[in-house]
Amino acid sequence: KNQVEQSPQSLIILEGKNCTLQCNYTVSPFSNLRWYKQDTGRGPVSLTIMTFSENTKSNGRYTATLDADTKQSSLHITASQLSDSASYICVVSRDTGNQFYFGTGTSLTVIP
Amino acid sequence: DAGITQSPRHKVTETGTPVTLRCHQTENHRYMYWYRQDPGHGLRLIHYSYGVKDTDKGEVSDGYSVSRSKTEDFLLTLESATSSQTSVYFCAISRTSGREAWENIQYFGAGTRLSVL
Repeated sequence: KNQVEQSPQSLIILEGKNCTLQCNYTVSPFSNLRWYKQDTGRGPVSLTIMTFSENTKSNGRYTATLDADTKQSSLHITASQLSDSASYICVVSRDTGNQFYFGTGTSLTVIP
Repeated sequence: DAGITQSPRHKVTETGTPVTLRCHQTENHRYMYWYRQDPGHGLRLIHYSYGVKDTDKGEVSDGYSVSRSKTEDFLLTLESATSSQTSVYFCAISRTSGREAWENIQYFGAGTRLSVL
């Protein structure tokens, strides 16, 4: 079964600290993996996208890693800001890239 | 936001009534999607479309139908709404990032919050 699991479910960190979110998947055949940020009351917005040949991708303070062998990905947030408070969703696509499987998300709260 | 507009943004309806949600895009994208988002679940695909009059079912399509008579509009219909269909509904389009044809990025609308009483 094609599944995407994320951990932790929720996380609270102090402003300025770093954190790492995890994503494990069983989607096959793998096409690409992306991380989205979803602010409360808004639609998800793409942060990074990686194919099987890429093992790291950065977007500002966000760095995603991918291990296609173990089917794991992580999203590392550096020097967190209050505006990073959101849900972070891992999405894996298969085949030609137009079938998407979503994790349930990690809810991140950054406190001052 | 890739020119995606969902309407209405909020709707309250009664069990058994028909409901239609509209997704409108301005950039002529071929692929459009309808998802629902519920607590404890990831976004779940209801239906998607790969062109005018070309649609297919997703994992939670029961109780929903879709239509796409024009490239820019993708309609989601609940023929007879049930309380289990209370959810937030997101429309999305898929747009290539430009590097590879299959590296599609999804862009989402702002969502429609539907309550079925």
